[in-house]
Amino acid sequence: QVQLVQSGAEVKKPGASVKVSCKASGYTFTGYYMHWVRQAPGQGLEWMGRINPNSGGTNYAQKFQGRVTMTRDTSISTAYMELSRLRSDDTAVYYCARNPAGTELDYWGQGTLVTVSS
Amino acid sequence: QSALTQPASVSGSPGQSITISCTGTSSDVGSYNLVSWYQQHPGKAPKLMIYEVSKRPSGVSNRFSGSKSGNTASLTISGLQAEDEADYYCCSYAGTVVFGGGTKLTVL
Repeated sequence: QVQLVQSGAEVKKPGASVKVSCKASGYTFTGYYMHWVRQAPGQGLEWMGRINPNSGGTNYAQKFQGRVTMTRDTSISTAYMELSRLRSDDTAVYYCARNPAGTELDYWGQGTLVTVSS
Repeated sequence: QSALTQPASVSGSPGQSITISCTGTSSDVGSYNLVSWYQQHPGKAPKLMIYEVSKRPSGVSNRFSGSKSGNTASLTISGLQAEDEADYYCCSYAGTVVFGGGTKLTVL
């Protein structure tokens, strides 16, 4: 069965970076785009970007351009999202989600809480 | 890219039908049949309910249906049940991907 398992919660200081992992199993990792979506406490979903695990090609939301880097390691079927120059308003749950096509995000990770606090 | 516009809240009684709207522009909802809907219960990851405007993934109840007219997409839930109480988000392709602000559904 398809599973996306994310790394554990993180606490970071402002200005630091965080790298969240998303390990995929139960399907061909390189066959589906992986998207990253975040949700601040009490707020809605916010799209951050996507990576093509086959080519490594990425597309990022304009808001995160220059601060986010999405990578993958096909040998271990794992996608990564690194966000730099963290601010307090980056405190959120970060999700990875598998994308068969279009805006169809059919499987989601369990979420990773990133807390940014001095 | 601005977020799609959804009502903040809707409510209905068990057995009734409700519709949640999702208004975008001619650059997103109006241009692509790539609208999806997600259900999210508190503390849980979102769940795909509708994709490509009106298609239901396997396992999703046929009480959930989607449609689109112009720049506005809609999610209709018929025969409301207590477990439908959740937040609902629309999503559209727009060159990139954009979500709506979310709608809280209360089952009275």
